[in-house]
Amino acid sequence: GQQLNQSPQSMFIQEGEDVSMNCTSSSIFNTWLWYKQDPGEGPVLLIALYKAGELTSNGRLTAQFGITRKDSFLNISASIPSDVGIYFCAGQGAQKLVFGQGTRLTINP
Amino acid sequence: DSGVTQTPKHLITATGQRVTLRCSPRSGDLSVYWYQQSLDQGLQFLIQYYNGEERAKGNILERFSAQQFPDLHSELNLSSLELGDSALYFCASSVGQGVYGYTFGSGTRLTVV
Repeated sequence: GQQLNQSPQSMFIQEGEDVSMNCTSSSIFNTWLWYKQDPGEGPVLLIALYKAGELTSNGRLTAQFGITRKDSFLNISASIPSDVGIYFCAGQGAQKLVFGQGTRLTINP
Repeated sequence: DSGVTQTPKHLITATGQRVTLRCSPRSGDLSVYWYQQSLDQGLQFLIQYYNGEERAKGNILERFSAQQFPDLHSELNLSSLELGDSALYFCASSVGQGVYGYTFGSGTRLTVV
């Protein structure tokens, strides 16, 4: 079945640093989405991408839909403590979203 | 509040027992999805319903079953529970097949002792 490879699996950074994570797939997706999950909560949609090459920002977050439609990245600039959590990429498959394994972000103040 | 309601929030039960998790989708959403998230794991897709019909199945054990009712709420039934079934169970909903993403509930934390 379709699988997404998300990296890195975890990140430990200092407050104020920029963060970058990405997802790759062997399959083409027509939609890429990025979610954030706070501890004990459900994932919340951050950014949705619908066109190859699309670059979309949401505050300090920027995500891009790869030209090949097989990858996407998420950047977080000037990280703050509330950015802590697990970030998931997701690609729109034939009938459902396929999720990456997540990137756990930890921030040292 | 995401609009997707899951009950109960926490559940503690013994091995061998049966439990039912409930989900009310966001108003207007016809699709319901169930996911399992074990400690430090990703989101494992279990099953999808669309307007009352099963649409897709993932890695759902035979001991687990689900259904979506005419009012579109869904229930996930877990039986003959084992310690390894302890996890967060999320319900998500979408209008159609999820092109605009899914909206997740806050989850039910199941602990099997």
